[in-house]
Amino acid sequence: EPEVTQTPSHQVTQMGQEVILRCVPISNHLYFYWYRQILGQKVEFLVSFYNNEISEKSEIFDDQFSVERPDGSNFTLKIRSTKLEDSAMYFCASSLTSGMYNEQFFGPGTRLTVL
Amino acid sequence: GENVEQHPSTLSVQEGDSAVIKCTYSDSASNYFPWYKQELGKRPQLIIDIRSNVGEKKDQRIAVTLNKTAKHFSLHITETQPEDSAVYFCASREPNAGNMLTFGGGTRLMVKP
Repeated sequence: EPEVTQTPSHQVTQMGQEVILRCVPISNHLYFYWYRQILGQKVEFLVSFYNNEISEKSEIFDDQFSVERPDGSNFTLKIRSTKLEDSAMYFCASSLTSGMYNEQFFGPGTRLTVL
Repeated sequence: GENVEQHPSTLSVQEGDSAVIKCTYSDSASNYFPWYKQELGKRPQLIIDIRSNVGEKKDQRIAVTLNKTAKHFSLHITETQPEDSAVYFCASREPNAGNMLTFGGGTRLMVKP
């Protein structure tokens, strides 16, 4: 069964550094998402992406964040200047459609630790 | 925006008993309600979902009910097994919010053998 994959599984960085988190969505899916989960807390929506554009973003997704689909398979989340509070698990997800009946499939996550 | 509340935050049951987790949502326009199971250190996995045009859905030991009037939905697990132990998240989706899912705070279910 196809799955969403993410790399790296764990990223450690110094505060102020840039990080890029990578995701490969399920191959025929058209809609892509990033969520984050601070340790022990709920999963929070960051951004959704379709047709090479952001379709929705949350208040968390400020100017320090950006997303890109650089080729036909990868979907990336960049954090320009990391802060301590960016430490979290970041999940990529994808869905086939955008309608009421779509399902979002999650990747295994990247644990980001900002020191 | 949408707000989803989930109760209880922790639930401990004996193997074989039933478990019920409840969620309420605030936006009456929300039309899709998935439930995810997350084992420790793993990805959230969809276990069941319900659309707003039905009131109940069942899949083996798992069922979900939806009360649109009261804006709440519940997950029911019968004949619980130790492998059901995990954190369960409910979520809702507003139709005009770019498919974003709003999650509840999670319920840690512990099934004691």
